Amino acid sequence: AQKVTQAQTEISVVEKEDVTLDCVYETRDTTYYLFWYKQPPSGELVFLIRRNSFDEQNEISGRYSWNFQKSTSSFNFTITASQVVDSAVYFCALSEGYNAGGTSYGKLTFGQGTILTVHP
Amino acid sequence: NAGVTQTPKFRILKIGQSMTLQCAQDMNHNYMYWYRQDPGMGLKLIYYSVGAGITDKGEVPNGYNVSRSTTEDFPLRLELAAPSQTSVYFCASSRPGLAGISQQFFGPGTRLTVL
Repeated sequence: AQKVTQAQTEISVVEKEDVTLDCVYETRDTTYYLFWYKQPPSGELVFLIRRNSFDEQNEISGRYSWNFQKSTSSFNFTITASQVVDSAVYFCALSEGYNAGGTSYGKLTFGQGTILTVHP
Repeated sequence: NAGVTQTPKFRILKIGQSMTLQCAQDMNHNYMYWYRQDPGMGLKLIYYSVGAGITDKGEVPNGYNVSRSTTEDFPLRLELAAPSQTSVYFCASSRPGLAGISQQFFGPGTRLTVL
């Protein structure tokens, strides 16, 4: 069975601080995808990034960066120079891999989320 | 392009009542999903569908039913509502492609309270 653990339940920072959200996953699949979603106070789910299991290249996008380490089964997310608008719940999610027939239905297993509060 | 739409936004049910949560997408996505989000928790998969007429159970299907007669619509039926079904329900859709598993696009959610 797949599992995603976000050990940090809540994080509180002051604006302009850097913050890293941790995500650890478990899967027996050899090919899989990892995602980060953001849920602002309005409640909708906003897609941030997708990473596949055979691409360990880390990525930076503006103030966001992601660190994927297959050896430790971790997919961490960093916000540089945080802003009040970054306050939200952040979810890490793992998709099922491909079956023997080469098909995946993309079912997601979510972590429990990390509540990030950025104070002015 | 409205994306994924859900109705209603809010609903209060009494124990034992039934209702249907509506979900529609206009992106011609084959795959559709229903998740529930309990307070302080992540989302859990209830049911999913890979095309019209094809549905399957997810992690927490008990107390729910689905059908998929068209590509666009994927309603979720609650029979005999129970307080344990108080949750926020999200519908999502995606389309498999040559680039692999794509992101899921989520609807705005339906907040359901069972009293």
